[in-house]
Amino acid sequence: EVQLVQSGVEVKKPGESLKISCKGSEYSFTSFWIGWVRQLPGRGLECMGVINPSDSDTRYSPSFQGQVIISADKSIKTAYLQWVSLKASDTATYYCARLNSALTDAFDIWGQGTEVTVSA
Amino acid sequence: SYELTQQPSVSVSPGRTARITCSGDGLEENFVAWYQQKPGRAPILVIFEDNERNHGIPERFSGSTSGNTTTLIISRVVSEDEADYYCSSREEDSFWVFGGGTKLTVL
Repeated sequence: EVQLVQSGVEVKKPGESLKISCKGSEYSFTSFWIGWVRQLPGRGLECMGVINPSDSDTRYSPSFQGQVIISADKSIKTAYLQWVSLKASDTATYYCARLNSALTDAFDIWGQGTEVTVSA
Repeated sequence: SYELTQQPSVSVSPGRTARITCSGDGLEENFVAWYQQKPGRAPILVIFEDNERNHGIPERFSGSTSGNTTTLIISRVVSEDEADYYCSSREEDSFWVFGGGTKLTVL
């Protein structure tokens, strides 16, 4: 079964760093871009950025440029979303999703989500 | 910036048809995808390219576009269809944008 499996729940303090992961399986990981999507508590979906795992070409939404770092390690079929210094406003659920160009760039496979809580 | 507008909520009785709309400048030129999200779950792709069903999605789900408005149509609604629905699109050389979401309630 094609799937993306994300790392588990995180509870952090403001100012701490964090790196969450998203591992692909049962498909050619380097053939599809991966996107990261934020969902604030009780709110809608926001695309943060996308990465091409084959060469790590990364594009950020203007709203998230400079706020997070997106990376990938194709040798272990894993994409990452990273913060250098977390803020309380980063509290959200973060999803990774596979971008499928054959479906006119729709996100066709989603990870289960990683819930991040940032609180003093 | 590119924005997509959805009505916050839609209510429908079982067996009836639900219509969820998504409006935005440029939707005539750009494809729309629809996602279903149930509480505590990840979104799933329902419709891509305005009106193409993703595999495994019941035929009751369809999409249509008229001008700058795209509509997700759910025929013969059942209780399991109760969820939040998000439209998404992007302009060329721009970023993916999601609508604010529509909460579908099955009465």
